[in-house]
Amino acid sequence: QKEVEQDPGPLSVPEGAIVSLNCTYSNSAFQYFMWYRQYSRKGPELLMYTYSSGNKEDGRFTAQVDKSSKYISLFIRDSQPSDSATYLCAMSRGTGRRALTFGSGTRLQVQP
Amino acid sequence: EADIYQTPRYLVIGTGKKITLECSQTMGHDKMYWYQQDPGMELHLIHYSYGVNSTEKGDLSSESTVSRIRTEHFPLTLESARPSHTSQYLCASSELAGGPAGPADTQYFGPGTRLTVL
Repeated sequence: QKEVEQDPGPLSVPEGAIVSLNCTYSNSAFQYFMWYRQYSRKGPELLMYTYSSGNKEDGRFTAQVDKSSKYISLFIRDSQPSDSATYLCAMSRGTGRRALTFGSGTRLQVQP
Repeated sequence: EADIYQTPRYLVIGTGKKITLECSQTMGHDKMYWYQQDPGMELHLIHYSYGVNSTEKGDLSSESTVSRIRTEHFPLTLESARPSHTSQYLCASSELAGGPAGPADTQYFGPGTRLTVL
């Protein structure tokens, strides 16, 4: 069983929809939770990160962490065609070797 | 914005050729990584380095080798390319300590090299 599970999608939504992307994990040692966005044929870029449980908002994006359920989410409001990409969650223990673990990514398509 | 560079961006080469994929970063990061990613598939860690003269194999077995002679440079070499090596190769780096952009071990990726072996 993988440490981090993520639905691969694809997830197709109309422009303007609210999108919810999720990951579950099994390792309670994870302290930092990140979301990367990867456009086709490009490298992933860091979108947001949060520490421990709680919410963090950045423009149309909100990251949410529920450590008790080992569940993290990324919400995208007013989704745009330019949001079409693969979204990868990543988790870090904050210390030690090879501390970062990636999910497999969810492909999102926002239809105009 | 991350300053990590990969060359070439695209490479088409015949079977049996030796190739080196270049990766350089100007951020002074100690840690560097190589990932292999097939289209629409997940990232697979194939090599990583925690500093000069330090290299280790990742989760996915790979016939490639790496070297880390300078902090900023982490090249990947395939001695004899085969069609099974066709993939996208992504290089990343991270720093030991966190900073404004992210916590410790936040990885910053290069644009990738798309390799096709005929």
